[in-house]
Amino acid sequence: GENVEQHPSTLSVQEGDSAVIKCTYSDSASNYFPWYKQELGKGPQLIIDIRSNVGEKKDQRIAVTLNKTAKHFSLHITETQPEDSAVYFCAASSLNDYKLSFGAGTTVTVRA
Amino acid sequence: EAQVTQNPRYLITVTGKKLTVTCSQNMNHEYMSWYRQDPGLGLRQIYYSMNVEVTDKGDVPEGYKVSRKEKRNFPLILESPSPNQTSLYFCASSLIWRTTGDTQYFGPGTRLTVL
Repeated sequence: GENVEQHPSTLSVQEGDSAVIKCTYSDSASNYFPWYKQELGKGPQLIIDIRSNVGEKKDQRIAVTLNKTAKHFSLHITETQPEDSAVYFCAASSLNDYKLSFGAGTTVTVRA
Repeated sequence: EAQVTQNPRYLITVTGKKLTVTCSQNMNHEYMSWYRQDPGLGLRQIYYSMNVEVTDKGDVPEGYKVSRKEKRNFPLILESPSPNQTSLYFCASSLIWRTTGDTQYFGPGTRLTVL
């Protein structure tokens, strides 16, 4: 099955700086890569996703890049704000099955 | 309001006492799934369902059962809970998984403690 590794496990950044989270996956058939944000006491919420036919996708301050050859993808948050503090999860799935495999999560703290 | 609801939100029980965690969605989603979240392990999929009467195992199905008799409901059943099933559980749903690789909408979570 799919194995997703996520780094770092914790990340502390100064407000206004950028944050980068990296994930690797094992199954070359995986072609859907969502990122979820989980705030304290809540369920995860999708913030951005990318499919394997695209190398990069942006949505305001958030961007995701995908390198299928190396089997890794990254989340970039620019101009971080205190409300970006949360746990972020990467995930991977193949459209050949219906499972979504998550990374272990990154706790991001934005220092004011 | 479009949402996924879970009940109960918190549950403390004892080993061996059967329990059910309910999950309901009001978005007419075909795909529903259960996850457990444990520190350092992220979310792991327990079971999923592509549609009514269609269910399949995820990565950690042992000790759990599910049913999908109606499109909106997907209960998680622990026939004989054990302490290693103490965890935070999330139900999720999405429109049509295969076609869109769609956004999964998560419920608020159920924190289960098995003594």
